[in-house]
Amino acid sequence: GENVEQHPSTLSVQEGDSAVIKCTYSDSASNYFPWYKQELGKRPQLIIDIRSNVGEKKDQRIAVTLNKTAKHFSLHITETQPEDSAVYFCAASTSGGSNYKLTFGKGTLLTVNP
Amino acid sequence: EAGVAQSPRYKIIEKRQSVAFWCNPISGHATLYWYQQILGQGPKLLIQFQNNGVVDDSQLPKDRFSAERLKGVDSTLKIQPAKLEDSAVYLCASSLAPRWTSGTDTQYFGPGTRLTVL
Repeated sequence: GENVEQHPSTLSVQEGDSAVIKCTYSDSASNYFPWYKQELGKRPQLIIDIRSNVGEKKDQRIAVTLNKTAKHFSLHITETQPEDSAVYFCAASTSGGSNYKLTFGKGTLLTVNP
Repeated sequence: EAGVAQSPRYKIIEKRQSVAFWCNPISGHATLYWYQQILGQGPKLLIQFQNNGVVDDSQLPKDRFSAERLKGVDSTLKIQPAKLEDSAVYLCASSLAPRWTSGTDTQYFGPGTRLTVL
């Protein structure tokens, strides 16, 4: 089955700096890669996703890049703010017939220091 | 639009007891998922329903876990008997339909049920 590795497990940055979180996946058939943000005690919320037919996607301060050859994708947050502090999860999915399954990484605890 | 609802939010039980969780997905969402999230880890899929049929339960410990979605809307997840290692947050998520039918597969999560087994 799919295996998703996520690094780093913790990341501390100063407000205004950029943050980068990287994930690798094992199944070359994976074709959908979402990123979720989970604040303490809250539900995971989708912040951005990318499909295998594009290499990069941006949404304001957030961007995701995908390298299918190397089987890795990254989340980039620019001009970080204290409210960006949370756990971020990457995930990868494959689809087969009526089923597609999300496999999550173990998460990155991002702390943005004021 | 109302989000995914779950209850209870917290549950504390003794090992070997049974427990049930309830999930109400977003209206119109055909696909429903149950995840287990152990502290410090990402969510792990336990079971996926398409309407009222199971499409993936490969990671569900079927000797103690069961789930149903009888009318294709609400779902319940049951653990009987519970073990200490079942302590986790149980997340329910829903999506409109698999990608191959609608092109939409974003999963929306509920607030979760935090289970503590003593």
